[in-house]
Order: sequence, then C-alpha cells, then structure tokens
Amino acid sequence: QVQLQESGPGLVKPSETLSLTCTVSGGSISGYYWNWIRQPPGKGLEWIGYIFYSGSTSYNPSLKSRVTISLDTPKNQFSLKLSTVTAADTAVYYCARSRTLYGGTDYWGQGTLVTVSS
Amino acid sequence: DIVMTQSPDSLAVSLGERATINCKSSQSVLYSSNNENYLAWYQQRPGQPPNLLIYWASTRESGVPDRFSGSGSGTDFTLTISSLQAEDVAVYYCQQYYNTPYTFGQGTKLEIK
Repeated sequence: QVQLQESGPGLVKPSETLSLTCTVSGGSISGYYWNWIRQPPGKGLEWIGYIFYSGSTSYNPSLKSRVTISLDTPKNQFSLKLSTVTAADTAVYYCARSRTLYGGTDYWGQGTLVTVSS
Repeated sequence: DIVMTQSPDSLAVSLGERATINCKSSQSVLYSSNNENYLAWYQQRPGQPPNLLIYWASTRESGVPDRFSGSGSGTDFTLTISSLQAEDVAVYYCQQYYNTPYTFGQGTKLEIK
C-alpha cells in the first residue's frame, strides 16, 4: 500500500522560505506525477505544481516565481520550496500522486499545516 | 486557466435519498485523441485529505461504492450519490486535469437533512 508523509516546519516567518518534504513508501517514484496541493483553513484546494518521475516540472503560474519542486529518487522523496511567504500562504499542504495512464490523484498524504507568522 | 464552477455550494439530503452535484468547466476538458474527459471527483471528510472517487468523468475508482456515479462530457458534469449514507457527509470537489494549472471547483458541502 502506497503511503505519503509530509514533513517540515509548522511555522514559518513572513518573507522566509517554506520547505517541505514528502516521503513515499510502499511504492516507486517511477511512472507517476508527484504533486503539491494546498488548502487554506476552511477553504478549497489549490494545485501548486508537480514533478514527473523523469524530473520535469509544472507549476501554477500564480506561484511560479516562488516555487521549486525537486525529486530525490534514491530516497523516494520529493520536496517543495516556496519563497518569500506571507500570511496568505498559511494552509494545509498535501503531497499527492497522480497517475499517467488513468488520470486522477489517487494517493494523498495526511497533510501538514504550515502557519506563516512572526 | 480553466475555471471549475460547482453547484450548489451546499446540499442537504435525507438518508437513502439521491444527491446530485454539478460541475461546469469554462472550456471543454474532452481530449479528442482518446475521447476521454479529463475530470475527476473527490470526497473530503472533515480533517482528512481528499479521496479520489471518479476519474475520466465516469470511471469509479477501485473500492468506491457503486452508489457513487459520474456523468457528463465536454463542459458539464454531474456526481450522483444514489442512496445517501451517513458516511457520505463530506465536501465534494471536481477537478480538471486537462491542462495545467490543474484546477478544482470551490467544493460542495453535503449534509444530512
């Protein structure tokens, strides 16, 4: 059974960089898209971007200038960096797997709340 | 960006009754080369991550009860729960994966009447 687990600081100061890592267990990184998706408290879902197992990336244009997603295949991990954060970046951050052949995002981490505050 | 608009924003249905949630995309998500609609539905229970219910607009994910069904094509889609159960209380989201940025509807909150 594939499992994803987010890790990283729960509190980040304004103007600093948010850094999260997702560890994938029970399956391989190969053959899938690996996403970061966030959800502000009480609000809807926003796709941040993905990294394909080959290393190619796609980012939401609304965040593109501040986002970097990277992959560490030997460790079965992928990471998110979001720079110059503000209170508007406070959200639950999810890592999640999307399929290539069948579509849809089928495995999600439990999510981690990141609060931006001084 | 493709804008996804769900209706209604909230819905109260009696146990055992049918629930219907609509989703409209600002442009077609039907890919002509394979005739598939790049549209998924998710269920999010309180405090939980979203759970994939339906992909390709109408294909039920493995393990999802058959009371859940998806329909529609092009720009108009529907999620139907044929006989509401207590565990179906949740927020439901549609998502297009036709092109990036992938976008979600605003969500529909489903409650028991």
